[in-house]
Amino acid sequence: QKEVEQDPGPLSVPEGAIVSLNCTYSNSAFQYFMWYRQYSRKGPELLMYTYSSGNKEDGRFTAQVDKSSKYISLFIRDSQPSDSATYLCAMSAGALPGGYNKLIFGAGTRLAVHP
Amino acid sequence: NAGVTQTPKFQVLKTGQSMTLQCAQDMNHEYMSWYRQDPGMGLRLIHYSVGAGITDQGEVPNGYNVSRSTTEDFPLRLLSAAPSQTSVYFCASRGSGGVGRYEQYFGPGTRLTVT
Repeated sequence: QKEVEQDPGPLSVPEGAIVSLNCTYSNSAFQYFMWYRQYSRKGPELLMYTYSSGNKEDGRFTAQVDKSSKYISLFIRDSQPSDSATYLCAMSAGALPGGYNKLIFGAGTRLAVHP
Repeated sequence: NAGVTQTPKFQVLKTGQSMTLQCAQDMNHEYMSWYRQDPGMGLRLIHYSVGAGITDQGEVPNGYNVSRSTTEDFPLRLLSAAPSQTSVYFCASRGSGGVGRYEQYFGPGTRLTVT
C-alpha cells in the first residue's frame, strides 16, 4: 500500500465549476501538507501548504486537512481553463528520516477545465 | 534570479553508459534534492543534501551517486544506465528559515531515456 493515495483522474469539468481534489495517507506522523501544480512538461510549483489540521484559503483555492481521517483536499472555485494541469499532493514530517527534505507525493490528478 | 536550473533538458543513453545530470540554484538554499517522476508513481526522492559536503539517500537511491562541493550545485550521476532509469528527473531546493523552509522549488526537469 502506498503511503499517499491520490486518484489519477483524469477529471474533466466545465469552466466555472468547483473542483475537489483529494488525497488519503497512512502515516500519522505527517505534519505538513502541500499541493503542487504541474503543467505539462514543467516542474511542479507549490500552490499551498498547511500545517496540521484545518483550512487555508488563497484566492480561488482552499486547502483542507483532516488529520483524524488522514484526508486532505484542495478546492478550486470558479475553475478556469488555465487551471488545467496535474495536481500533486505532498506531505512531510520533521520527525521522519529525511525530515522536511523528504516529500512523499501522491501520483497526481490530471485536471482539464474546458470552456 | 534564475531559480533552479537543470541541464540537459533531454538525454538518450544506451544501457551501461554513464552520465551526469546537472542542477544549480542561485537562491543560496541550503537544502537540495533529486526526485524522479514516473507515470502513476508521483515523484520519489533519490538523494538529498543538507549543505555542502553532506548528502544522504532518499527512497530510491540505487544506481545513482551525488556529491555537493558547493552550495549552488548538486549533480546527479548515473553510474551504469539501465532501462529502469528511464524517467523525468527533477532537482529541487529549499531554504532553511521562516515559512519558506517548507517550500521546495523545482527545476524544469531532465527527460532521460535509456535504450
